[in-house]
This record gives sequence, structure tokens and C-alpha cells, in this order.
Amino acid sequence: KQEVTQIPAALSVPEGENLVLNCSFTDSAIYNLQWFRQDPGKGLTSLLLIQSSQREQTSGRLNASLDKSSGRSTLYIAASQPGDSATYLCAVRETSGSRLTFGEGTQLTVNP
Amino acid sequence: GAVVSQHPSRVICKSGTSVKIECRSLDFQATTMFWYRQFPKQSLMLMATSNEGSKATYEQGVEKDKFLINHASLTLSTLTVTSAHPEDSSFYICSARDGGGGQFFGPGTRLTVL
Repeated sequence: KQEVTQIPAALSVPEGENLVLNCSFTDSAIYNLQWFRQDPGKGLTSLLLIQSSQREQTSGRLNASLDKSSGRSTLYIAASQPGDSATYLCAVRETSGSRLTFGEGTQLTVNP
Repeated sequence: GAVVSQHPSRVICKSGTSVKIECRSLDFQATTMFWYRQFPKQSLMLMATSNEGSKATYEQGVEKDKFLINHASLTLSTLTVTSAHPEDSSFYICSARDGGGGQFFGPGTRLTVL
């Protein structure tokens, strides 16, 4: 059974810092991995989708990497801003038709 | 990007009533839609997966007669919470998958049962 773990559970940083969020998964045979952002009381916003054949994806100040063999992904946020404060969730899909398995999330607070 | 809408965003109802939540993919066709439930400070729990035109597949422990799911078209799925009770109060989120394998989520519906 696939298990997804995110470390740290919570992170508080001053504005402007670069930071890394970690995600690990137990079964490396995945189809893709997706990073999401969730603001309090809101749904999920898809940030980056990495297919199993890819090693990284970038969007603006966000960069996500994927190392399937070690079962790890990182989300790098450059020059963090207070507006980045949210919970970040990673999720893996094992096959094209299977469900997403979510981690518990990292709650990020960026202090002005 | 792909947009998924949910309606209503918030609903308060009396115990024993039924509540219907709509989920729509606005700019893409979704052959598969998912319904999740989220309790405070917890991650999402998958309730069921629905494919257009067929019966939903429910996760273990989810009562199919209580949580009725209809996926009548490629852009619309509905979740009906029948005879709602206070313990059904939660945040319900739908999601739709596009042809590229990406999965996109609605803004959620906050259900409060009095």
C-alpha cells in the first residue's frame, strides 16, 4: 500500500527566504506526482504535475523535482512571500487509472 | 488552466434533510470525477470515484446509500448526502481528471448539519 509522507508538518520562515518542502513515497512505481496548495477553508490548487518520466517541473518561483528510485520529491519555493502561506500537499498516482494518495501536508507560514 | 467549480460553497441544513452538491468541470471533459471529505487539519479522504455513465466506486467504509453520486455527463457530477446528521458535517471537495492525467479540484463545500 502506497504511503506518502511530508516533512516538515509545519514551517515558519521570514519573507524572502528560499525553502524546500519534502515528500517521500514508499512505492517508487508511480505514474505521476502532483503538488497542490490549499488555503484555509478552500479547495486544492494544482501547482505542478510531474510525470514519472520527468525529473523536474518549474512554474514561476516554484520548482518541483522527482527522484523515483529513492521515492522522493521536493518543492522548492524561491524568494518566499507572505502570500505563499498555505498548506502544501503532495500526492502520487500509481497508475494512469488509480487514485491519488495524499501526504498529510506541510503548513507554511511566511512572515512579513 | 483546468477549472472545477462546486455549488454551493456553503450549506447549513437541519438533521434529516438531504443536501445535493454539484461539481462541474468548466473547460475540459472529465471522464473521471472524485469526491473527497476533509476534516479539520487533516488531509483529504477519498470517498468515491465516478466514471461518466457508470456507477460510482465507493471506498471502504463509505455508505453508498447515504452518499449518492451521479455522474450524468462529462462535465457534471453530483453528491447527495441523504438524511444528513451532525456527524456528516465536513468539508466536501470534488475533483476531476483530464485527459493528460492531471487532477484538478473544486473549491469545496462546507456542510454544517444542525
